[in-house]
Amino acid sequence: GENVEQHPSTLSVQEGDSAVIKCTYSDSASNYFPWYKQELGKRPQLIIDIRSNVGEKKDQRIAVTLNKTAKHFSLHITETQPEDSAVYFCAASPDTGNQFYFGTGTSLTVIP
Amino acid sequence: DTAVSQTPKYLVTQMGNDKSIKCEQNLGHDTMYWYKQDSKKFLKIMFSYNNKELIINETVPNRFSPKSPDKAHLNLHINSLELGDSAVYFCASSQDGTGGNEQYFGPGTRLTVT
Repeated sequence: GENVEQHPSTLSVQEGDSAVIKCTYSDSASNYFPWYKQELGKRPQLIIDIRSNVGEKKDQRIAVTLNKTAKHFSLHITETQPEDSAVYFCAASPDTGNQFYFGTGTSLTVIP
Repeated sequence: DTAVSQTPKYLVTQMGNDKSIKCEQNLGHDTMYWYKQDSKKFLKIMFSYNNKELIINETVPNRFSPKSPDKAHLNLHINSLELGDSAVYFCASSQDGTGGNEQYFGPGTRLTVT
C-alpha cells in the first residue's frame, strides 16, 4: 500500500516569513494530493489540492508543488500570519479506490 | 446547516463498556469514512463505506463495528472499550469513492476511556 512521509513534524517561523512542508509518497498510482489544515480542537479542512497532471497550484498565499517523478509534493505558505498556526496534513490518493493515506502531520507555529 | 455531524462530541466511559458514535452527512455523498486520531495527531483510516457497502476495513480490532443504515449515516459501535481506544474519532464523507475527491470531516468525537 501507499506510504506517505511528512517533514518536518514541527515548524516555527516568524510572522511574515515563509513556511515549507514536504511530503513523499511511494505508490505511483497516487494522483490526487490534498493538504488539510487542522486548528486546535477543530476538524481537518481542505486548504488546497493538486492532481498529477499539474505541477504547481497557487491560491493567494498558499501554493503546492508536485514532482511526480520523484514522488514528492510540498506546501508553501508565504507571508505567514499567526492564524496560520495549526497542524497541516498532506495526503495521497489514487483515482480508483476509496483510500486516503495521510502524512503524520506538521505542527506549524507562527510567532508574532 | 452542518454538512457532516457527529454525536456525541465528548464521550467519557469506563473500560469494558460498549458505546456508539453516530455520524450523518447531508451532502448527498456516496462514501463515508471513520478515522481515529491519537494523541500524536496521527490520522488513521479505520473504515470506508460506499453506498452502505463496506469498502475498506483496515487492521482494526473486531470490537469496532461500523453500521450504515443508509448512505447518509455511518455509525461506529465499540464493544469492551479499552484504555487504548481513547482518541478523537472523525467521521468524513466524499462525493464518491474514486479517491480523487475532497473529504469533508465531522467535528470529531473525543472518547476518553478511564
